[in-house]
This record gives sequence, structure tokens and C-alpha cells, in this order.
Amino acid sequence: NAGVTQTPKFRVLKTGQSMTLLCAQDMNHEYMYWYRQDPGMGLRLIHYSVGEGTTAKGEVPDGYNVSRLKKQNFLLGLESAAPSQTSVYFCASSLGLAPAYNEQFFGPGTRLTVL
Amino acid sequence: AQSVTQLDSQVPVFEEAPVELRCNYSSSVSVYLFWYVQYPNQGLQLLLKYLSGSTLVESINGFEAEFNKSQTSFHLRKPSVHISDTAEYFCAVSTKGSGTYKYIFGTGTRLKVLA
Repeated sequence: NAGVTQTPKFRVLKTGQSMTLLCAQDMNHEYMYWYRQDPGMGLRLIHYSVGEGTTAKGEVPDGYNVSRLKKQNFLLGLESAAPSQTSVYFCASSLGLAPAYNEQFFGPGTRLTVL
Repeated sequence: AQSVTQLDSQVPVFEEAPVELRCNYSSSVSVYLFWYVQYPNQGLQLLLKYLSGSTLVESINGFEAEFNKSQTSFHLRKPSVHISDTAEYFCAVSTKGSGTYKYIFGTGTRLKVLA
């Protein structure tokens, strides 16, 4: 049982390049989330998904796109990377949204630098 | 609107001393409260949670938090810290609004335990 895994762990991009971050979970969770973590700002929700084939915008969605073609995978895409997207990205999943089920399980993070 | 405030961005404390990490929330509806811990270079993991019942909740590694509705607080305490407790701690609030649950993280408090 690997929990939540993220690929890659580190990446350096040049401004304007594109990339996709992959998140996978083996807990059969319905809900999946992408956060970015920046110093002094805590975790900010980028996009989330409430089930296979569905996605929704979070707090800071601009410049990112997501897809959930399979229940276990949640992809985060940067079409044209900008230095402001330099951050640590965390994927998380939960069984549900109601309090008894919404403990979030996090991946180890992807450290992205955009030059 | 709901919000979570962690006033202390950093808390240095000597080993075996007590510590309190503060968390205050703002919400007009019922809340469910969580503390997560993030060890260096890792994702977040749940430390403890309050859903209902006893307002004092404990973790397996000696931390405890008390839900105080009148003061809208959920402070995290440990009577004697260890070097291994050095980590960043995030308070989170789950509330129900607009027909769905929201999950909001605080900005985090970095606990540094000194030898």
C-alpha cells in the first residue's frame, strides 16, 4: 500500500515550458486535491476532483489545468510555466468531504523551479 | 467566510520544555478541527482531530489539543518536546457552507526544538 505518490520529485523548467505532474493513490479515494506550498502562505488549493472525470477550481487555479481520467490518478499541468509558479506542489486524497471521512492523505511533494 | 489563523510563524523551544502552538478560527457554522504535521521534506500527515464529543483530543506521540468554542481556538500543546518534534504544524478547519464542505489550512507554525 503505497498511499499517495507523486512524480517527479524535482523539476527545473525554463519560462514558457510545459510539464505535467502526476499523482497516484491506491486507497480508492474519491476526492483528490492539488496544493501549492509557498513560504509564509501555507497550503493553497489549486484544483480538486470529486470523482473520476470531474474537476473543479480551487483558490489559485490560474495557469494550471488538471485531469482525472482514472479514479486513482490526478494530473496537474502547467501549459506555459512562469517564475511565479516556483513552489512545492502537494497532491492529497480523501475518502469524502464530510468530516468523518475528510482526513487528507498527502504525497511527498514535487519541488518545481521555474527559471 | 471561514478562516484559520496561526499567529506564530516560528516557535523555538528547548528540549523537554512545554510548547503551545496557537490556532484560532472564524466561522458562523459548526466546525471540525485538525492538526497536521509536516516533517522536513515530507508531505503533511494527520496528527489529531476534533469532530465531536470530548473537547480534548490526543495524539499517539504526546500532543493534545482542546477545542474551545467560546474562544474559537484549537491550540496544540505538548508538555515536554523532543528534538524529533521539530517540524511544521498546520491547523485546518472543515466547515459546511453552500451545500458542501470546505477544508481550509492555516499558514503553519514551524516548531524548532533546541538541544
